[in-house]
Amino acid sequence: EAGVAQSPRYKIIEKRQSVAFWCNPISGHATLYWYQQILGQGPKLLIQFQNNGVVDDSQLPKDRFSAERLKGVDSTLKIQPAKLEDSAVYLCASSFAGRLNTEAFFGQGTRLTVV
Amino acid sequence: AQKVTQAQTEISVVEKEDVTLDCVYETRDTTYYLFWYKQPPSGELVFLIRRNSFDEQNEISGRYSWNFQKSTSSFNFTITASQVVDSAVYFCAQRGSNYQLIWGAGTKLIIKP
Repeated sequence: EAGVAQSPRYKIIEKRQSVAFWCNPISGHATLYWYQQILGQGPKLLIQFQNNGVVDDSQLPKDRFSAERLKGVDSTLKIQPAKLEDSAVYLCASSFAGRLNTEAFFGQGTRLTVV
Repeated sequence: AQKVTQAQTEISVVEKEDVTLDCVYETRDTTYYLFWYKQPPSGELVFLIRRNSFDEQNEISGRYSWNFQKSTSSFNFTITASQVVDSAVYFCAQRGSNYQLIWGAGTKLIIKP
């Protein structure tokens, strides 16, 4: 079974530029998460989708970050404009929907460096 | 409020030693789920185990074992006869009624040959 796919793996941009990340979840997983992980810290939830609806985006900096999940499958996360403090690994994860007793499966992440 | 505490920031042991990673959680939910994930240097978070709040039976999987104690709100992870490949950052996480995964800060485990 294919895992969570993310691209690109690495991205270096200058501050104030824009960047987009792509995620394809595991087939059949209706719940999709985007996490930000700063070096030395645990993952921080940015946004959680169930199908194409947003369940939780309370920690998403909406002035610069946006995410969408058209058709309830693939998702993109965009940062515009990027700041130095956005340098982090952006992790996408997916899980079965509506079940507490289910683990999330993660992609390999996109390592973003803002210079 | 839910919270997960991993007090050990970094642990370093020599190969073949046993090592225990601590995890303490806080929750007001009566039903909740606990998880351990491994993050090797490659960066991907790898699921290790899920535990239900109503099942305190300890679990063993090869060299890995987990001790869940509701009385102390702990869900500790032990690696027996550690190997260099066990070197990674290990995260404990909790999911409660709001479906959010709450993460600890992680413990970096270094296994020296």
